[in-house]
Amino acid sequence: QKEVEQNSGPLSVPEGAIASLNCTYSDRGSQSFFWYRQYSGKSPELIMSIYSNGDKEDGRFTAQLNKASQYVSLLIRDSQPSDSATYLCAVFLGSNYKLTFGKGTLLTVNP
Amino acid sequence: DTGVSQDPRHKITKRGQNVTFRCDPISEHNRLYWYRQTLGQGPEFLTYFQNEAQLEKSRLLSDRFSAERPKGSFSTLEIQRTEQGDSAMYLCASSLSTGRTEAFFGQGTRLTVV
Repeated sequence: QKEVEQNSGPLSVPEGAIASLNCTYSDRGSQSFFWYRQYSGKSPELIMSIYSNGDKEDGRFTAQLNKASQYVSLLIRDSQPSDSATYLCAVFLGSNYKLTFGKGTLLTVNP
Repeated sequence: DTGVSQDPRHKITKRGQNVTFRCDPISEHNRLYWYRQTLGQGPEFLTYFQNEAQLEKSRLLSDRFSAERPKGSFSTLEIQRTEQGDSAMYLCASSLSTGRTEAFFGQGTRLTVV
């Protein structure tokens, strides 16, 4: 199993829809989870962090964490064309807390 | 403080040459990470520091790669005898090690080996 795994995509949704992005991780002891957005040719930008089981909402973004299932997701409500980007899941893994990224999911929001 | 700063933004070098990149983290951050990213892939972990100590280095790296963080401030990443396969975006990020541990990235250094 890869350390941090994401749906490879691409994921295409119409404007105004909900986009759902998923991520699983291998280290059951992980405590810190992050979602980054990366536009083409740019560096990753942090959009959400989550540390406890359950949901965390920030504007149109909701992160969901289930440590028992080793699963973290990101929901984007009322998707906009400007949300079109690659979304990266990142997790602190291991005793050294190495920040490890998934491959990313390319999201396209169609007007 | 305006965030993580990387220099240069772009570097073109001939195969076999050595290159060095610099990263200045957010001033209060004691953790500093280096990643490499190629098209269509997520950031690949290279190494990271907590203060001046290098805590882990990727087994994927050959001995041609070395990183330093003297005095726990800025960091440098050197690639010796560059190869075409080294062409990539090199990303630096910094964070705190306790409390809010979110990592923030610099704008990256795009390396092209010709």
